[in-house]
Amino acid sequence: DAGVIQSPRHEVTEMGQEVTLRCKPISGHNSLFWYRQTMMRGLELLIYFNNNVPIDDSGMPEDRFSAKMPNASFSTLKIQPSEPRDSAVYFCASSFKRGTYNEQFFGPGTRLTVL
Amino acid sequence: GENVEQHPSTLSVQEGDSAVIKCTYSDSASNYFPWYKQELGKGPQLIIDIRSNVGEKKDQRIAVTLNKTAKHFSLHITETQPEDSAVYFCAASITRDNDMRFGAGTRLTVKP
Repeated sequence: DAGVIQSPRHEVTEMGQEVTLRCKPISGHNSLFWYRQTMMRGLELLIYFNNNVPIDDSGMPEDRFSAKMPNASFSTLKIQPSEPRDSAVYFCASSFKRGTYNEQFFGPGTRLTVL
Repeated sequence: GENVEQHPSTLSVQEGDSAVIKCTYSDSASNYFPWYKQELGKGPQLIIDIRSNVGEKKDQRIAVTLNKTAKHFSLHITETQPEDSAVYFCAASITRDNDMRFGAGTRLTVKP
């Protein structure tokens, strides 16, 4: 299994530009999570999906952030317009929720720099 | 919501010594407590987890303990090696909610 795949691995953009981060979860997993990691705030859950349906987006910082999961094998996190304070590493994770089993597998992350 | 606190933020040990990282959680309904290791430039990787019906779990040099009454859990690494150097995160969740909250992380350095 290739694990969780994220693209791009690095993104440098200018303030005001639209940024789209992509994630392919592990095949067969039914839950997907987007996290943001910064030195100041650590690892923060932004949003998660169960069976492609957004369950909790309370961690999304502002309306500039949006996430979609059109099917079980693909999700996007979009920032529009981007700002320098959005610079962080964004992780996608997936899990197979069955009963009480809840192990999350993380992707390698996308390092976003907004100039 | 759940709040997880982790201590210490940095830890430096000599190779061969033991390392202990401690976490506390706030929501008594939390029942799943994983530990993740994050190496430079990589995503967190699960190294061990414990569920609320167990007080201790061991996997080779790594062990976790859970005290539900006090709402704290700990990671113990014995016979540390330089390759154990990384950032370690604890987390807590209520599995029915699928919502996991992470501690702030501990940067462990094992000096050869």
